[in-house]
This record gives sequence, structure tokens and C-alpha cells, in this order.
Amino acid sequence: GAVVSQHPSRVICKSGTSVKIECRSLDFQATTMFWYRQFPKQSLMLMATSNEGSKATYEQGVEKDKFLINHASLTLSTLTVTSAHPEDSSFYICSASRKGQGSGELFFGEGSRLTVL
Amino acid sequence: QKEVEQDPGPLSVPEGAIVSLNCTYSNSAFQYFMWYRQYSRKGPELLMYTYSSGNKEDGRFTAQVDKSSKYISLFIRDSQPSDSATYLCAMHNNNDMRFGAGTRLTVKP
Repeated sequence: GAVVSQHPSRVICKSGTSVKIECRSLDFQATTMFWYRQFPKQSLMLMATSNEGSKATYEQGVEKDKFLINHASLTLSTLTVTSAHPEDSSFYICSASRKGQGSGELFFGEGSRLTVL
Repeated sequence: QKEVEQDPGPLSVPEGAIVSLNCTYSNSAFQYFMWYRQYSRKGPELLMYTYSSGNKEDGRFTAQVDKSSKYISLFIRDSQPSDSATYLCAMHNNNDMRFGAGTRLTVKP
């Protein structure tokens, strides 16, 4: 099956620092990767959609200068939370759409829990 | 009105019960319908994926889509404690994807 790896799974950082989260499709090429944020006991909130080699499309209300997304290859997308603050503490999840696969079949990473002190 | 409505529960059933999970939606353009299972502190995993209206069965799981009513369901037969998780419905139309709030299910032994 398709595997999406997310790293790190947990990260704790000080306020004001930047944190990078990686999302890799291990056994398939991902044309599109999605980044979500999930608050406790709530559903996934789509933050942005990224296609390999192009700029990410951000959802309304998501600060693109704060949440930098890079999709450098068909197997890797990164989310950088810049100048993190405690309110950025959350569970961040990526998903990937397999190249050539039917729409809607997304494969999710295990998530990264960010805690900003 | 939210685009996707899903009762967050919690839903608690005894082991062996049939579980029915549902979502309604408002955007008739959605064509692809999915159910994801998410264990605590983990990413969602795809359970069922259907295109347009109809039924799809996979083991103990059956997904139903009624596009005329904008209503989708997931049935779990012979529920097991290991089925305890949050179940998210999702739908997609190539340009837009939306998730339900998720229903937290507990199956008690």
C-alpha cells in the first residue's frame, strides 16, 4: 500500500523559533500534497495544497508567510512554521495524492505534534 | 450551514453491534466519497472510497452513497473493540475537498 512518512512525529520548541516538518511519499510519486491542522477533538482543517514545482495554494485565513510550504520533488513536501508561538501548537498532518490514481484517494502521514513553549 | 455535517458523538456500542455512521452534505458537485478512521494521536487512514451513488462492501464495512439525498453512510458489522476510533467522512470533486467533524466511536467489550 501507499505509505506517507511524516517527520518529526513530535517536536517541542521555544517561542520565536522556526520548525520544519517533512512529508514524504515512500513508495509512490505524489502529484499533490496537502497540509492540515487538527485541534483536539476536531476535524482536519486544510491549510494549503501544494503541487510539485509550483507555489502552494493557501486556504483563506492561513498566513502563507508564517506557514511556508515547499514541494521540491514528487516525493517530498515540507511545512515550516516560522517564528512559532504557543498558539501554533497543534497536530499537523500531511496527505498525498498518488500520481495517476483516481481523485480523492489520499494517503495520510502519521502527523506531527508541535508544542511551542 | 456547514458543507459537511457529521454528528461528533460520542457513540458507544457493545461489542458485536452494528454501527451506523452518517454524513450529510450540501455541495452537489462532490463526486468522490471517503471514510477515514483515525486512532488517537495518529493520522487518518482510508477505509472506504466510493465514486458517485451506490454501495461498496469491504469485509465488515459497507459504505453507502445517496447523491439524491446528499447523504452518505458507513456501516460496521460485528463491531470490535479495535474499531474504537474517530471516523471521518470526506468528499471531493477534484477542486475541493471537505471533511466532516468526525464521529468518536467506542466499542465496549
